[in-house]
Amino acid sequence: AQSVSQHNHHVILSEAASLELGCNYSYGGTVNLFWYVQYPGQHLQLLLKYFSGDPLVKGIKGFEAEFIKSKFSFNLRKPSVQWSDTAEYFCAVKVMEYGNKLVFGAGTILRVKS
Amino acid sequence: DVKVTQSSRYLVKRTGEKVFLECVQDMDHENMFWYRQDPGLGLRLIYFSYDVKMKEKGDIPEGYSVSREKKERFSLILESASTNQTSMYLCASSSNSGSSYNEQFFGPGTRLTVL
Repeated sequence: AQSVSQHNHHVILSEAASLELGCNYSYGGTVNLFWYVQYPGQHLQLLLKYFSGDPLVKGIKGFEAEFIKSKFSFNLRKPSVQWSDTAEYFCAVKVMEYGNKLVFGAGTILRVKS
Repeated sequence: DVKVTQSSRYLVKRTGEKVFLECVQDMDHENMFWYRQDPGLGLRLIYFSYDVKMKEKGDIPEGYSVSREKKERFSLILESASTNQTSMYLCASSSNSGSSYNEQFFGPGTRLTVL
């Protein structure tokens, strides 16, 4: 079965530090890739998505992610985090051959110290 | 704005009770999903539906059933609640077309405690 791995469960950064959250998936076919964020007490919402084309995708709030097909990776980055980025981040993969299901990683809890 | 609403934010039930969780979306989406979210495990798919009266098992369907009688409504049923079903339950919906193709939109979640 396909799986999604997020390398760190907890990350603590100071404001203005750079962020990179790792995401690897196990399926070799055609995939769509997503990063979702859940701020404390709020709904899960989409940060960014990759379907095709330019492997570097930009999302909301200054986040970006790079799809590296050869590494089965879709890492999330932000050059300078803010206290308001404190949240839980989920990587998700949709395998085209398996229909509309998303497979989610376990999540990474990011705490930004002010 | 897509809106996905869930019937309760918090629910407390006793072991053995039948529990209904309701989800409604207002954007005419074809697909609807039920997940449970547990710390350290992320979101795990329980059931999903791609059309009225259609349902597909997800990764952890045991102990659950679903109903989709109308396009906008997707219900999750716990036939006989058990303590290991204490969790946060998230509903989501997605469209098969348009600019938000296949993006899943989530409800606020129902935190269910089974005593």
